Amino acid sequence: NAGVTQTPKFQVLKTGQSMTLQCAQDMNHNSMYWYRQDPGMGLRLIYYSASEGTTDKGEVPNGYNVSRLNKREFSLRLESAAPSQTSVYFCASSAQSSYNSPLHFGNGTRLTVT
Amino acid sequence: AQSVSQHNHHVILSEAASLELGCNYSYGGTVNLFWYVQYPGQHLQLLLKYFSGDPLVKGIKGFEAEFIKSKFSFNLRKPSVQWSDTAEYFCAVNAGGQNFVFGPGTRLSVLP
Repeated sequence: NAGVTQTPKFQVLKTGQSMTLQCAQDMNHNSMYWYRQDPGMGLRLIYYSASEGTTDKGEVPNGYNVSRLNKREFSLRLESAAPSQTSVYFCASSAQSSYNSPLHFGNGTRLTVT
Repeated sequence: AQSVSQHNHHVILSEAASLELGCNYSYGGTVNLFWYVQYPGQHLQLLLKYFSGDPLVKGIKGFEAEFIKSKFSFNLRKPSVQWSDTAEYFCAVNAGGQNFVFGPGTRLSVLP
């Protein structure tokens, strides 16, 4: 059981380049999330998708776009990368869009923007 | 807006010492509370959760946490830590919908 799978694991971009982070879950979860993790700041929500076909902004959405391709997949796109987007990105999923479903995380993508 | 604070940035303990990591949140209504652990180089994993009922909840690997509503706290405890508990620990609160709010994390180093 793979759980939540993220690709790539590492990425280095130059300022202005674009890229898409991929995420897939095989737990038949309805809700999916993208977080960024920065030292001393915990995890901050970028975007989430409560169910297939819906997406909503989180705490720090600027500079990002998302696509809920189907129930399994939720991608995060950086259209024009900036050094401030250097971070570790985690995808997560939960069984349902209610607040008592814990999050299940992927292994993360470490992104460096130079 | 909700917020979560964790009292300690970095805790250093010797093996067999007792552990208590503080977590406080700011929200007056019903909340669900979580502790997650992140081992070096790995993703976050759920340690334990509180939804309702007994305010003392037990999780995996001998961890427990106590919800004290009057203090808005959800402290994590373990009677005797092991070297393998070295990790970063995150408290998280959810007060409804998709809004999981995480604390900044506490790094635990256990010396052998």
